[in-house]
Amino acid sequence: RKEVEQDPGPFNVPEGATVAFNCTYSNSASQSFFWYRQDCRKEPKLLMSVYSSGNEDGRFTAQLNRASQYISLLIRDSKLSDSATYLCVVNRGGGFKTIFGAGTRLFVKA
Amino acid sequence: NAGVTQTPKFQVLKTGQSMTLQCAQDMNHNSMYWYRQDPGMGLRLIYYSASEGTTDKGEVPNGYNVSRLNKREFSLRLESAAPSQTSVYFCASSPGPQYEQYFGPGTRLTVT
Repeated sequence: RKEVEQDPGPFNVPEGATVAFNCTYSNSASQSFFWYRQDCRKEPKLLMSVYSSGNEDGRFTAQLNRASQYISLLIRDSKLSDSATYLCVVNRGGGFKTIFGAGTRLFVKA
Repeated sequence: NAGVTQTPKFQVLKTGQSMTLQCAQDMNHNSMYWYRQDPGMGLRLIYYSASEGTTDKGEVPNGYNVSRLNKREFSLRLESAAPSQTSVYFCASSPGPQYEQYFGPGTRLTVT
């Protein structure tokens, strides 16, 4: 079993839809959590950190459930420009201990 | 403020050739990383440097060496390239090991 698992998708949604991604992690010692987005043939870019109390940045909401060991990302009012691969990232407390999920692909269609 | 820069952007090598990938950051970050990304595999850590003067192996270090030249620069060397090293290589930096990482634009390497 992979330490960080994501549904690879793809998720195909119309513009304006709400879409949610989940990511599970297996190591209960994990300390910090992030969501990145990666466009085709580009580098990963930090989308948002994930805090225990949940946090929101515009149309994006991230939540952490330590008891069930998963994090989620909710995108409201999807835009065409949201089409990308979303990477779940879990840090177990050190540089070598940052684990990237394989990513979930999102296609937003007009 | 360029962030993380990598050179070259593209490279084609023949099996057995050597080359060095260069990475520099201007964010005064302590930690730097080298990853490779293959289709369907996600990002895999090759080597990292938690701070200037230290380097450590990651998940897939075989066939690679690194040098943390100073706080800004972290290079990755392929001594004898193999077709299995065909990949996209990303350099990243972070304020410290437990913080978010910032990536360079990547080097697309093909070994024939």
